[in-house]
Amino acid sequence: DTEVTQTPKHLVMGMTNKKSLKCEQHMGHRAMYWYKQKAKKPPELMFVYSYEKLSINESVPSRFSPECPNSSLLNLHLHALQPEDSALYLCASSQDLQGAPGSPLHFGNGTRLTVT
Amino acid sequence: AQSVSQHNHHVILSEAASLELGCNYSYGGTVNLFWYVQYPGQHLQLLLKYFSGDPLVKGIKGFEAEFIKSKFSFNLRKPSVQWSDTAEYFCAVTSRGNEKLTFGTGTRLTIIP
Repeated sequence: DTEVTQTPKHLVMGMTNKKSLKCEQHMGHRAMYWYKQKAKKPPELMFVYSYEKLSINESVPSRFSPECPNSSLLNLHLHALQPEDSALYLCASSQDLQGAPGSPLHFGNGTRLTVT
Repeated sequence: AQSVSQHNHHVILSEAASLELGCNYSYGGTVNLFWYVQYPGQHLQLLLKYFSGDPLVKGIKGFEAEFIKSKFSFNLRKPSVQWSDTAEYFCAVTSRGNEKLTFGTGTRLTIIP
C-alpha cells in the first residue's frame, strides 16, 4: 500500500463549486508534487513544492491553487473548474527534488475528479 | 529539453513469454532513469531506477532494465511474464539538477493466461 495518502478518493463537483484535494505523507520527504492524469495518458506535472515553497508551476490555470501548510501536507484548492478538468489527480513526494540521485517519486492513489 | 519515447503502445503476451519494453530518451547530459508500473485501479509504483554504476539494474517482481548510454535507451525486461503483470508501464527521466520528471506515453501490457 502507498505511504502517500490522498483524500477524497472520488469527487464530483459542479463548475461553480469550491473544493479541496488533500495529500499527506509522513516519510519526511521534502518535495511534494501534484500531477494530473487523463485516461490512458502519462501523468502531467502541475506543481512542485520544495521545503514548503512553491518551486514549479507548470503554467496551470489559476482555478487550481496549491497550498503546502507544512512539510507533511499538500492541498489543491479547486474553484470554477471546467468539465475538461475531469481527471485523476495524483500527489507524490520524494526525499529530495527529482534532480537528486536516490529520490524516486512515491505516489498516492489519486483523487478521481469529475466536473459536471 | 528532455523527452522520453515509448514506441510500444500496447503489448499482448501469453504467460511465460519473455518481455522487453522499449524506452528511449533524449538528453545529452547525466540522467536519472525510472520505470513505474500502474496496475489496474492502483497507484503508480516504482519498478526500478538507474542513477549511476552498473548499467544493468534489477527491480521488484523479477524486472530488470539495461541503460545503454550510446543508444539513449533504458529498456525494461522480464524473462517470464505472469498474468499479474498486466498493467500500464511508464518510463521516466530526469536530469541532474532538473526538478521535473518527464514521463513517456506509457505501454499497456496485457498478459493472456
